[in-house]
Amino acid sequence: NAGVTQTPKFQVLKTGQSMTLQCAQDMNHEYMSWYRQDPGMGLRLIHYSVGAGITDQGEVPNGYNVSRSTTEDFPLRLLSAAPSQTSVYFCASNPTGEEGGYTFGSGTRLTVV
Amino acid sequence: AQSVTQLDSHVSVSEGTPVLLRCNYSSSYSPSLFWYVQHPNKGLQLLLKYTSAATLVKGINGFEAEFKKSETSFHLTKPSAHMSDAAEYFCVVSDTGTYKYIFGTGTRLKVLA
Repeated sequence: NAGVTQTPKFQVLKTGQSMTLQCAQDMNHEYMSWYRQDPGMGLRLIHYSVGAGITDQGEVPNGYNVSRSTTEDFPLRLLSAAPSQTSVYFCASNPTGEEGGYTFGSGTRLTVV
Repeated sequence: AQSVTQLDSHVSVSEGTPVLLRCNYSSSYSPSLFWYVQHPNKGLQLLLKYTSAATLVKGINGFEAEFKKSETSFHLTKPSAHMSDAAEYFCVVSDTGTYKYIFGTGTRLKVLA
């Protein structure tokens, strides 16, 4: 049981480049979320999904897109990377709602130069 | 709208002494509350959760937290700190039915030998 798997673990992008952060879970969880973590700011919600085909914006969605074509996968796309998107990104999943608590991946450290 | 405030950004304790990490929340409805721990360069691990059952919640590694509605608090405690407790701790609130977590800005716990 791998839990929540994020790839890559580290990435350096140039300003203006695009890329996709991958997230996969093998627990058949309905709810999945993407967060970014910045020093002194805790984790902030970017986008979330309550099931395949359903996504919604979180607190800081600008510059990011998501899709949820399957229960297992929830990729995060950076359309045109900016230095302000330098951060650590976490994907998380939850079986049926907030009461169960989210399981987090190990994170992707992204640097935009 | 829900929010969470962690009252201390840094806490230092000596090994073997009690730990108190403070968290106040704001929520329009019956909240679910969580504490997560993040060790350096690691993902987040669920310590404990409150979901409208017993107000005193016991978690892993000897931690516990008490939900006090009148004080809108959910402080995390441990009777005796261990060196391995040194980490960053996040208090999290989620309103019932929203499935979105709101994180506090974190408290970094330092344990002195």
